[in-house]
Amino acid sequence: NAGVTQTPKFRVLKTGQSMTLLCAQDMNHEYMYWYRQDPGMGLRLIHYSVGEGTTAKGEVPDGYNVSRLKKQNFLLGLESAAPSQTSVYFCASSGNWLLAKNIQYFGAGTRLSVL
Amino acid sequence: SQQGEEDPQALSIQEGENATMNCSYKTSINNLQWYRQNSGRGLVHLILIRSNEREKHSGRLRVTLDTSKKSSSLLITASRAADTASYFCATVTSGSARQLTFGSGTQLTVLP
Repeated sequence: NAGVTQTPKFRVLKTGQSMTLLCAQDMNHEYMYWYRQDPGMGLRLIHYSVGEGTTAKGEVPDGYNVSRLKKQNFLLGLESAAPSQTSVYFCASSGNWLLAKNIQYFGAGTRLSVL
Repeated sequence: SQQGEEDPQALSIQEGENATMNCSYKTSINNLQWYRQNSGRGLVHLILIRSNEREKHSGRLRVTLDTSKKSSSLLITASRAADTASYFCATVTSGSARQLTFGSGTQLTVLP
């Protein structure tokens, strides 16, 4: 029972490079989320998706793009990485609202450094 | 912006003692949740309390909610060294049911 899997676990980028973070969940959840966590802070929502083919902006969407082409996958892209995007990125998923009340299941995180 | 603010930011106690963490929030909520994060790991859901509930228990965890004061507390009884982690409150607001808004967290250290 994998739950939510994030790849890669670590990455170092140079300013201006691009990359894609992959999140996969095997719980058949409708909702998926991307957060970033900076030192001493809680999680801030970047983008989220309420179903296959849909995405929406969260609190801090600038500099990121997302896609949800398949229900089980949610991709986070950085087109031109900046040092301010150095952070730990977490993906989460959640099931049907009536049953799950937005209890979220998290991946282990991707630690990204932008030099 | 952060919906929840937690207090204290850091807490250090001896094994066997109780740990209490507080969370305040700003807007009306549908429910409030507490999550735990071990160092270098993802968050794990601990407990959920609905806006019409005042207290909830789960094992050694006790959560209270006071909607008039827009605050919640998490009590961990008989703490263990393995409880050392960061604890976050997160709210589901009535207007954004599909989103969680997290507080800044309390770092709990339980000394053996």
